[in-house]
Amino acid sequence: EAGVAQSPRYKIIEKRQSVAFWCNPISGHATLYWYQQILGQGPKLLIQFQNNGVVDDSQLPKDRFSAERLKGVDSTLKIQPAKLEDSAVYLCASSSSRGRGSQETQYFGPGTRLLVL
Amino acid sequence: AQSVAQPEDQVNVAEGNPLTVKCTYSVSGNPYLFWYVQYPNRGLQFLLKYITGDNLVKGSYGFEAEFNKSQTSFHLKKPSALVSDSALYFCAVSHTGGFKTIFGAGTRLFVKA
Repeated sequence: EAGVAQSPRYKIIEKRQSVAFWCNPISGHATLYWYQQILGQGPKLLIQFQNNGVVDDSQLPKDRFSAERLKGVDSTLKIQPAKLEDSAVYLCASSSSRGRGSQETQYFGPGTRLLVL
Repeated sequence: AQSVAQPEDQVNVAEGNPLTVKCTYSVSGNPYLFWYVQYPNRGLQFLLKYITGDNLVKGSYGFEAEFNKSQTSFHLKKPSALVSDSALYFCAVSHTGGFKTIFGAGTRLFVKA
């Protein structure tokens, strides 16, 4: 089966510009996650969707970050305006969870490496 | 609040020797514990998980981990390390009644030939 797809793989922008990332999860997976991974740190959950509803966005900087998952399939994450500290790898993952349980394995995409200058 | 700690930034081991990558956790309720591996310029790959049952969990590529409730630990082990095991390893925890997974900071494993 096809894995989680993400694009672009790399992006370089200047501070105060905007950027968008796209993710297509594994077919049939109800749960979709966006993580931010800063160099030398573990992934930090930004937002978690269950179908097209938000389950958790407590660590999403809502003044500049937004995400949507229309039709419960693919998703976009946007940053506007970007700051230097947003430089990181943005990982998308999906799992087959259909309830609130968190015991399901997450399948990760290759990530998008963002550099903000 | 839930948390996970990986006390070693890097673990060095010779090929053929056993390896251990340490992980401790803190959650309210019963934990769900995971190990993921990350190779350069790639996303995380699932290795194994503990949900319930047998405390010794076997996973991909010959790795295993032991859940120790009294020590709140979930250390990753392999009897004989390979150079190809060199990568970044992440421990993660979630729990019954919750839906967020928290990842540790990662441990870099270096296996020398």
